[in-house]
Amino acid sequence: AQSVTQLDSQVPVFEEAPVELRCNYSSSVSVYLFWYVQYPNQGLQLLLKYLSGSTLVKGINGFEAEFNKSQTSFHLRKPSVHLSDTAEYFCAVSLNSGYSTLTFGKGTMLLVSP
Amino acid sequence: GAGVSQSPRYKVAKRGQDVALRCDPISGHVSLFWYQQALGQGPEFLTYFQNEAQLDKSGLPSDRFFAERPEGSVSTLKIQRTQQEDSAVYLCASSLDRDSRGENTDTQYFGPGTRLTVL
Repeated sequence: AQSVTQLDSQVPVFEEAPVELRCNYSSSVSVYLFWYVQYPNQGLQLLLKYLSGSTLVKGINGFEAEFNKSQTSFHLRKPSVHLSDTAEYFCAVSLNSGYSTLTFGKGTMLLVSP
Repeated sequence: GAGVSQSPRYKVAKRGQDVALRCDPISGHVSLFWYQQALGQGPEFLTYFQNEAQLDKSGLPSDRFFAERPEGSVSTLKIQRTQQEDSAVYLCASSLDRDSRGENTDTQYFGPGTRLTVL
């Protein structure tokens, strides 16, 4: 079985500062990796995903993530955050075969202040 | 185009009542997933459909939970004799499974969820 650990439950940051949200996973087989964002009272929206190929993945809203197989990590980064980036961010994995369900971390709340 | 829709958005039930939650997936999406998200937690898998076939129900917490997708499109999650621990947001997601190039995209698109509160 696979699992996901998001090390920070909350990350406060000032507007226009860079941010990194950490994600580590555990799996005995190859996985796909995802970052989703959840705004208040809304569903999950896909930010980016890693299926194969280049380990640096660029997503929407200026976010990017880097897959590091040796460290089993998939950290999310943004060079300059906006107030509108305040939301809950979830890292998730799925097996890279078959239909495969998503296994989520507990989430990291990104709090951007002026 | 239209995304995944869910209804109702909010449901309050008295303990012991039965509830039914509806999910309309994106048209043409083969796969449909239900997840349960407790307060302050990430979503947890409940069940999976491929068209009308329920291929995995390993995440359903008890036999009070039942899901169906009789025509391979709309799905309903039913909870019988609701308990307070059933209070959560129930999320539905759908995916195409294969894109136009035949590649496994494995991207799930989520609905806004139904927030169930059991009193």
